Amino acid sequence: DAGVIQSPRHEVTEMGQEVTLRCKPISGHDYLFWYRQTMMRGLELLIYFNNNVPIDDSGMPEDRFSAKMPNASFSTLKIQPSEPRDSAVYFCASSPSGSRGTQYFGPGTRLLVL
Amino acid sequence: GENVEQHPSTLSVQEGDSAVIKCTYSDSASNYFPWYKQELGKRPQLIIDIRSNVGEKKDQRIAVTLNKTAKHFSLHITETQPEDSAVYFCAASYDKIIFGKGTRLHILP
Repeated sequence: DAGVIQSPRHEVTEMGQEVTLRCKPISGHDYLFWYRQTMMRGLELLIYFNNNVPIDDSGMPEDRFSAKMPNASFSTLKIQPSEPRDSAVYFCASSPSGSRGTQYFGPGTRLLVL
Repeated sequence: GENVEQHPSTLSVQEGDSAVIKCTYSDSASNYFPWYKQELGKRPQLIIDIRSNVGEKKDQRIAVTLNKTAKHFSLHITETQPEDSAVYFCAASYDKIIFGKGTRLHILP
């Protein structure tokens, strides 16, 4: 298995632009998580899905952030409009057993908003 | 809301010595406590975990202890090696997983 796949690996954009991050979970994993990592705030859970349904989005910072999972093999995290404070590494992770089991992280997307 | 406190934020130990990282959590319903290691520029990876029905778990040089009454859990690394240098994250979970802020561990030659 290729593991969790994320794209792009790096994204540089200007303030106000729309950013879309993509994730392909490990096949057979029913749970998918989106995290944001910064030096100041550490690793923050933004949202997670179970069987493509959003379960907890309380970590989504504001309405500029949205996430979808149209099928079991694909999820997107969208920021519109982007702001410099959104600069961070965004990780996607998948798990066969949810929040109480091993999570397998993707390589991350390093986002820089100028 | 739920919170996980992790200490210290930075730790330097001599190669061969032991390292201990401590975490406390606020949600008494938490029943799963994983530890992740993140090397520079890489993704977090699970190194060990413990569930609430167990007080201690060991895997070679790594051990984790859990005190549910005090809501404390700790990571112990013995005979540290250069490849142990990384950031370590603790987490506590019931329905939702909460991560600590991380400990940057430096192994000194």
